[in-house]
Amino acid sequence: QKEVEQDPGPLSVPEGAIVSLNCTYSNSAFQYFMWYRQYSRKGPELLMYTYSSGNKEDGRFTAQVDKSSKYISLFIRDSQPSDSATYLCAMTSGAGSYQLTFGKGTKLSVIP
Amino acid sequence: GAGVSQSPSNKVTEKGKDVELRCDPISGHTALYWYRQRLGQGLEFLIYFQGNSAPDKSGLPSDRFSAERTGESVSTLTIQRTQQEDSAVYLCASSPLAGGPQETQYFGPGTRLLVL
Repeated sequence: QKEVEQDPGPLSVPEGAIVSLNCTYSNSAFQYFMWYRQYSRKGPELLMYTYSSGNKEDGRFTAQVDKSSKYISLFIRDSQPSDSATYLCAMTSGAGSYQLTFGKGTKLSVIP
Repeated sequence: GAGVSQSPSNKVTEKGKDVELRCDPISGHTALYWYRQRLGQGLEFLIYFQGNSAPDKSGLPSDRFSAERTGESVSTLTIQRTQQEDSAVYLCASSPLAGGPQETQYFGPGTRLLVL
């Protein structure tokens, strides 16, 4: 079993839809959880960062972490064509840990 | 200033040849990281630099892979005797300090390597 599992999609939604992206993980030591967005032929850029369990909201984006289920989610409200990209979840174990473990990424297309 | 830059953008080479990939981090960033992204796979950690020393080389797939960094500046990733399975996008990232997951890693656009 891979440490981080992420459905690669592709996922296609109409503009304005709510998008739910998810990752599961097996390593209970992971405490820091990140979502990166990667446009085609570009490097990943950090979108959201959360520590431990709970929710974090930033504009149209909400990140959720459920450590008891080892499950993290990214919700995108009122999705826009400009949100079309690959979304990568990443996680790491703790302070002093710089090594990120990534999911495979989910390719999202938002259709106008 | 400018973000992380990488060169070349694309590299096609023949099996058995050596290649050098270059990364210019954001000025002043102490930490530098190399990752590999194979088609349909997540990013794999290769190596991390703190300044010009590499305390963690655990992700390097084989002894054909090596990397060096000059001070807190340019880094080169060298792959000797390339194999077809080395074909991937090689991504470089830098961060102001190191050792904290809250340290945002800023990624370059990557070098797309194809080994024929």
